[in-house]
Amino acid sequence: AQSVAQPEDQVNVAEGNPLTVKCTYSVSGNPYLFWYVQYPNRGLQFLLKYITGDNLVKGSYGFEAEFNKSQTSFHLKKPSALVSDSALYFCAVISGYSTLTFGKGTMLLVSP
Amino acid sequence: EAGVTQFPSHSVIEKGQTVTLRCDPISGHDNLYWYRRVMGKEIKFLLHFVKESKQDESGMPNNRFLAERTGGTYSTLKVQPAELEDSGVYFCASRGSVGRDNEQFFGPGTRLTVL
Repeated sequence: AQSVAQPEDQVNVAEGNPLTVKCTYSVSGNPYLFWYVQYPNRGLQFLLKYITGDNLVKGSYGFEAEFNKSQTSFHLKKPSALVSDSALYFCAVISGYSTLTFGKGTMLLVSP
Repeated sequence: EAGVTQFPSHSVIEKGQTVTLRCDPISGHDNLYWYRRVMGKEIKFLLHFVKESKQDESGMPNNRFLAERTGGTYSTLKVQPAELEDSGVYFCASRGSVGRDNEQFFGPGTRLTVL
């Protein structure tokens, strides 16, 4: 069965510093990986995805993620965090035909 | 272009009552999904419609949950009778017909509280 792990419930970072939100996955076959973000009182917003090709994927709001097949990881990164990046981040993988299997989410708190 | 909308945004009901959640997908999206997040846990898949047909309902927890998508447009999810463990946030998402790896667009969710 497909699964996604986000080992950190919360990540704290100071504004201007680089951030990393970790995600590891377990799938059979080639993984289709996604990152979504949820701001307070909003729905999930798509950030980026990895399907094939370059291991470094660039997405919205300056975020990027690095696919590492040997470590089965897809960590989300940003070179310089903003206070407005504070939100709940979900890593997900396609399972079945097109349904998403999500991690439990990581709360990112960026302090001024 | 309007996004995915859900109604109501919040619902508080007592155990044993019935609640119906509604989702309006992005116009033209054949694929519609329901997910649920119980407090602090993963977002879990419930079911998937392609147009008006149920493609996959393997995530539906039990027969107290009934989903419909009449005419392949909006969808409803009815919980009858509601139990305490049904509390959570119910998300709806839609996706166009091409490419299963294309992103799903999510609605804001309905927060259901069963007392």
